[in-house]
Amino acid sequence: GQQVMQIPQYQHVQEGEDFTTYCNSSTTLSNIQWYKQRPGGHPVFLIQLVKSGEVKKQKRLTFQFGEAKKNSSLHITATQTTDVGTYFCAGNAGFQKLVFGTGTRLLVSP
Amino acid sequence: NAGVTQTPKFQVLKTGQSMTLQCAQDMNHEYMSWYRQDPGMGLRLIHYSVGAGITDQGEVPNGYNVSRSTTEDFPLRLLSAAPSQTSVYFCASSRRTSGSSYEQYFGPGTRLTVT
Repeated sequence: GQQVMQIPQYQHVQEGEDFTTYCNSSTTLSNIQWYKQRPGGHPVFLIQLVKSGEVKKQKRLTFQFGEAKKNSSLHITATQTTDVGTYFCAGNAGFQKLVFGTGTRLLVSP
Repeated sequence: NAGVTQTPKFQVLKTGQSMTLQCAQDMNHEYMSWYRQDPGMGLRLIHYSVGAGITDQGEVPNGYNVSRSTTEDFPLRLLSAAPSQTSVYFCASSRRTSGSSYEQYFGPGTRLTVT
């Protein structure tokens, strides 16, 4: 079945440093979504990418979808302590069946 | 709107017991899903529904049943609990935003321990 791998599993940065997480799918995706889960919380939708090579920005967050629609990345510029949490990508395997990556846990020290 | 609600928040079961995790949404979303989240793993799809009366299996359906008699409710039944079902369970509902996309709204989760 389809697999979605995410790296790194964990990253600890100092506040103000940049952060990037990468997502790779074993199959071509129709679209990819990104979610953030705060410690003890539930996943919250951040964004969706649909087009090959698409780049979207939300303030300090930049999302990219690969040309082959098999990989994606999330980059945070100048991290803040409010960015702490686990970031998940989720690949659309068709219709309703999202396949989630294993997540990247981000810790930001002040 | 309350969004997606789940009850209970915490539950401890003994092996072999059965129970139902409740999920409700008030956003009139067609699509609803159940996921389980285990440490070090992402969310894995258990069952999903594309509308009242229609359900289908996800990645890890064994040991779980679902039904969808109304648009609002999507309960998850554990038939005979096993320690391997110890996990955090999330219910989600989806609305179509554009094309084939389905932005998911998650409930607060149910933390289940099976002893």
